[in-house]
Amino acid sequence: DIVMTQSPFSLAVSEGEMVTINCKSSQSLLSSGNQKNYLAWYQQKPGQSPKLLIYYASTRQSGVPDRFIGSGSGTDFTLTISDVQAEDLADYYCLQHYSYPYTFGAGTKLELK
Amino acid sequence: EVQLVESGGGLVQPGRSLKLSCAASGFTFSNYYMAWVRQAPKKGLEWVATISTSGSRTYYPDSVKGRFTISRDNAKSSLYLQMNSLKSEDTATYYCARQLGDWFAYWGQGTLVTVSS
Repeated sequence: DIVMTQSPFSLAVSEGEMVTINCKSSQSLLSSGNQKNYLAWYQQKPGQSPKLLIYYASTRQSGVPDRFIGSGSGTDFTLTISDVQAEDLADYYCLQHYSYPYTFGAGTKLELK
Repeated sequence: EVQLVESGGGLVQPGRSLKLSCAASGFTFSNYYMAWVRQAPKKGLEWVATISTSGSRTYYPDSVKGRFTISRDNAKSSLYLQMNSLKSEDTATYYCARQLGDWFAYWGQGTLVTVSS
């Protein structure tokens, strides 16, 4: 199974700051066939279901603000949130969908400082 | 608008069975792989099962393989999860999700399953 190691566990920020969340996979998520990385990012606000932010490591889902940026390739990936807003306070998860069993990172809780 | 509405959760004793349902609307159900993902209280997300468009292929992690069965009825735009031999560690909110490519693009609001005596 592919293990997803996500860091940090939690992050305290002020509005307007930039934050970075990291996700490292135990195997490469880069497909040699289409050169795409099979990594997605989700946001989960308290009491809500997860919401897709990013897929193929860097493609924003329709309607997601451009302050959410996904980057990385192979085994190392990053979700950057620039100009954090109060509405961004949530839990964030990475997901590898390269091979079964699909596995999630343990999550990062973004809190207000 | 894509809508996924789960039902069937509740309190069940260890070793017993429970069947979850997910009613889909707002898209052509038969065109998409579908999945179940769960989240134990105050914990992270865990993929539970995926089913192909026709239902001919199913996929499970080892933690539920042999105990859970995912199925679908394309005529009713419905997804199901039959859960047998339930354990306390199966206690979680179960989300129905529509896949796009291989990732989970849309999620329902979830249904809570509590396994306890």
